[in-house]
Amino acid sequence: RKEVEQDPGPFNVPEGATVAFNCTYSNSASQSFFWYRQDCRKEPKLLMSVYSSGNEDGRFTAQLNRASQYISLLIRDSKLSDSATYLCVVNSGAGTYKYIFGTGTRLKVLA
Amino acid sequence: GAVVSQHPSRVICKSGTSVKIECRSLDFQATTMFWYRQFPKKSLMLMATSNEGSKATYEQGVEKDKFLINHASLTLSTLTVTSAHPEDSSFYICSASLRTSGEQFFGPGTRLTVL
Repeated sequence: RKEVEQDPGPFNVPEGATVAFNCTYSNSASQSFFWYRQDCRKEPKLLMSVYSSGNEDGRFTAQLNRASQYISLLIRDSKLSDSATYLCVVNSGAGTYKYIFGTGTRLKVLA
Repeated sequence: GAVVSQHPSRVICKSGTSVKIECRSLDFQATTMFWYRQFPKKSLMLMATSNEGSKATYEQGVEKDKFLINHASLTLSTLTVTSAHPEDSSFYICSASLRTSGEQFFGPGTRLTVL
């Protein structure tokens, strides 16, 4: 089993749609969770951290379910500019800053 | 947010040559830097963790004699790909970690093509 698993997609959605991505992780000792966005041939950029209570940043909502070891990202009112690959990132264990990346979920928002 | 630079952004070299990539944290001190490699349509894979003033810690399967890492100061880490071969062609990305939070900030990456 991969340490961090994501559906690679692509998810093709029309502008204005709501889309959700899930990610599962295998290490129950992981404590830090993030969603990164990566555009083609660019470096990853932090979209948002994921907190236990869930958190929202504008059109983006992240949720964490520790019991089931999965993380979700919800994007509302999709924009063309949201087209990118979304990477689920988990630290590799308690007290470590090492990140484990998922393979990413590709999103295409269509006009 | 914190800024991390990488140089060069793109390298094309002949097989057998060595290539050095620099990673700098521009506005903060990073005791820890990470080096990743990303093949097309694949995830970022951690190659090594670079700690200032000590030897780098390499991930399983990464040859330390081929990928030389030096972290001589709190703002600079270098990765040298020695005797590069076409299979080393990849996107190499560094990140620098904030000492307080552990959050990683990524450099813009270096695209290496070995002919």
